[in-house]
Amino acid sequence: KNQVEQSPQSLIILEGKNCTLQCNYTVSPFSNLRWYKQDTGRGPVSLTIMTFSENTKSNGRYTATLDADTKQSSLHITASQLSDSASYICVVSALGGNEKLTFGTGTRLTIIP
Amino acid sequence: NAGVTQTPKFQVLKTGQSMTLQCAQDMNHEYMSWYRQDPGMGLRLIHYSVGAGITDQGEVPNGYNVSRSTTEDFPLRLLSAAPSQTSVYFCASSYSTTAWDEQYFGPGTRLTVT
Repeated sequence: KNQVEQSPQSLIILEGKNCTLQCNYTVSPFSNLRWYKQDTGRGPVSLTIMTFSENTKSNGRYTATLDADTKQSSLHITASQLSDSASYICVVSALGGNEKLTFGTGTRLTIIP
Repeated sequence: NAGVTQTPKFQVLKTGQSMTLQCAQDMNHEYMSWYRQDPGMGLRLIHYSVGAGITDQGEVPNGYNVSRSTTEDFPLRLLSAAPSQTSVYFCASSYSTTAWDEQYFGPGTRLTVT
C-alpha cells in the first residue's frame, strides 16, 4: 500500500530561524512529489513539485530536496516569518492521474515572535 | 478569477439528514475532485471527475454521490448523514487529469453530524 510519512508532526521555532521538514514515502511507481502549504481554515496551496530527476528546487525561502533512491524528501524554510505558520503537506503521485495521489498527514509549523 | 469556490463554509446536520455541498470553478478545468480531511489522516479522495458527464469513485466513496453536468460545477451529496462523516471537505480542480497538473483547492466546508 502506498504511504507517505511526515516528521515531525509539529514544530515550533522562533521567527527568523531556519527549519527542515521531512517526508518519507513508499509510492510505486513514482511520478512526482509536491509540497503543499495549508493555512488554518484554508485549502492547500502548492509550493513546489519535484520529479524523479530533480534533486533540489527552490521557491523563494522554500527549498525542497528529493532523494529518489532512499525515497525521502525535505522542505527547508529559511529565515522563517510569522506568515509561515501553517501545515505543510507532502503529496506523492504514482504514475497515472491525479486520482493516484497519496497525502501525508502534514507537519504543523508554528512561528513565534 | 474566483478560482474554486465552496458553499457552505460550515454546516451542522443531524444523523439521517441529507445535503449537498456545492463546488464551482471558473478556470475551465476538466478534472475535479472531492476530498475529506480528518485529524491525524491525510486527505482522502472521495469521488472525482475527468470531465462533464464522467465521474468515478475514489478511496472512500461510501455514503456520497456526485454528478458533473457542467464543466464548472461538481456537487457532493450526502445521502443520509452519519457521525462518521463529520469532517472537513475540500473540492479541487486541475487543468487535466495528469498528476503533473497542479490541483487548486477550495476553502473547504466544515461539516458536523450530530
